[in-house]
Parts: sequence; structure tokens; C-alpha cells
Amino acid sequence: DTEVTQTPKHLVMGMTNKKSLKCEQHMGHRAMYWYKQKAKKPPELMFVYSYEKLSINESVPSRFSPECPNSSLLNLHLHALQPEDSALYLCASSQALAGGGETQYFGPGTRLLVL
Amino acid sequence: QKEVEQNSGPLSVPEGAIASLNCTYSDRGSQSFFWYRQYSGKSPELIMFIYSNGDKEDGRFTAQLNKASQYVSLLIRDSQPSDSATYLCAGAGWAGNMLTFGGGTRLMVKP
Repeated sequence: DTEVTQTPKHLVMGMTNKKSLKCEQHMGHRAMYWYKQKAKKPPELMFVYSYEKLSINESVPSRFSPECPNSSLLNLHLHALQPEDSALYLCASSQALAGGGETQYFGPGTRLLVL
Repeated sequence: QKEVEQNSGPLSVPEGAIASLNCTYSDRGSQSFFWYRQYSGKSPELIMFIYSNGDKEDGRFTAQLNKASQYVSLLIRDSQPSDSATYLCAGAGWAGNMLTFGGGTRLMVKP
């Protein structure tokens, strides 16, 4: 089973709202990722949790806040977003083997629209 | 800067033909390469991965890796209209588990 689930599928929010995106996997993977993808562009890595340790893409603004309650769950908290943050937000997971470079499996994504 | 380059396309092939998708990378430390297919509005779906020089076949798909030339390719035999999508090439190094994505190649298979 290579399933990563994400909720919600679609989200519309105003610039003053606070919302959260959720991701879950039951493959026993120890690394989970958040990507942002704009139209006709490749996915851009935002955050990585590997064995619950966070790595951050320094270019990601602080209005995005990740949380990893346990190795199966990953949240992305959104606050005071801008219209340019509208995008497809993808969650992925991988085994996090010692050698690195293993396959990442993507969830279906959350389509976010910020008004 | 570590880069993965792809021709954005669109690459147009007739149904039943072989589609050849290419990717070059600049980081000689890259060890693993992945091909993802992405339909419009959907998430990337893994097609194949390759670690070793040479060819790797899976059904209608063949991945090729040439580390000396820093070149990765994906061949799709007997192309079908359902293969029409954007194909993303990604590379990963030994350290950590970060993927570097190319910009993607849009493939159009015409009936």
C-alpha cells in the first residue's frame, strides 16, 4: 500500500483566516514532506520531517507552520496568507533510509485558493 | 546550484509511437533518479526509479541512466492518448532525502 491521504481536497480562505492542511500515511515511513506547486511549475519543497526532526526551506514565509504530531501525521498550519499562496499543496512520504534518495510517494494534494 | 533540466515541450507523438523524454543533471553527487507522471490538476505519480547505469524496463516504460554524461531518459513504447501528461524528472543524492525536480516535459499523444 503506497497511499498518502490529504484533507481537505479543496480549501478557500480569506487572508485573515487560520486553517490547517492534514496529511496521513500508514506505510511506516519516517520522512514526510510538504511541497507547494504552482501551475506549470514543478513541486517546490517547503518542509521535511525526518524521524520527527524538521528541516525548513529558508525561503518559506512564517505564515506557513508545519507540525508533526507523530510519524504518521503531518499538518500544515496556515495564517494570514496572501493571494499568491494559492497553489496545490502536496504531501509526500518516504522510508528515510540511511543512504537517502529513496522513493517519495505523493498524496492527492489540497487545492488552496486565497481570496 | 544543483539543477535538473528538462525540455518543457510539448512533445507530440502519434499513438503507438515511442515517446522519448530526456533529463540532464548538474550534480555529480546525484545517485537516484525518479520519473513521475502528473496529469493536469492531479498529484505526481511515480512511474519508475533508477539507481544504476544502463536500462531498466517496466512494461511499456524504460528508464535509462548514463552517469558519465549526467543524462537520464524515459522511453514510453506504444504511446497511448492516456499517456498525455507532464513528466517530471527528479534526482536525489546520498545525503538526506531531498529531491531536485526538473521543470517537467509535457507529452501529448495524438490518436
